[in-house]
Amino acid sequence: QQPVQSPQAVILREGEDAVINCSSSKALYSVHWYRQKHGEAPVFLMILLKGGEQKGHDKISASFNEKKQQSSLYLTASQLSYSGTYFCGTEIQGAQKLVFGQGTRLTINP
Amino acid sequence: DTGVSQDPRHKITKRGQNVTFRCDPISEHNRLYWYRQTLGQGPEFLTYFQNEAQLEKSRLLSDRFSAERPKGSFSTLEIQRTEQGDSAMYLCASGRESAMNTEAFFGQGTRLTVV
Repeated sequence: QQPVQSPQAVILREGEDAVINCSSSKALYSVHWYRQKHGEAPVFLMILLKGGEQKGHDKISASFNEKKQQSSLYLTASQLSYSGTYFCGTEIQGAQKLVFGQGTRLTINP
Repeated sequence: DTGVSQDPRHKITKRGQNVTFRCDPISEHNRLYWYRQTLGQGPEFLTYFQNEAQLEKSRLLSDRFSAERPKGSFSTLEIQRTEQGDSAMYLCASGRESAMNTEAFFGQGTRLTVV
């Protein structure tokens, strides 16, 4: 039931782009993306609801492919502040809880 | 709105002792979750409250774990007869609506070390 994230880790130079994927074997109602820095709480980024909508703010956006039960998080022109571990949390309809993936560690170097 | 508050931030206890953690959600949030996170892993669901009602409890949670949310405000998580495997970060999150289509905000967590 746990979603699978890929890649597990990625290292970029400042200004490069990254894509983080989240796949589930279950039919999803929503996907939530969080970023967590070491020793801190996960910080909410965005929600994507069933319907395939794409969302974004600043240079971070995400999509949700309902047919494939996949979501992707896009980080463009990465900044040093984007470093951290990104988690997707998935909701199966009616479950009233999020099941999180194992995380993708993103490192941005100057 | 000061965010989700958890207390204590750190707890070291001897194996076999009982511990209790507190979570104060964002005011007027009726959803409250407890998650557990170990190093290098994503948060793992423990239990969920909607107002004062505990609606779901993970099957992974042994009988040594209990959670309450009296009056639908703050919540407590108690672990009895702690074991070394209980060492983890315990995270609390709260959300405004009763449905999952709105964001949930996490507290800073309580780091438990069982020695």
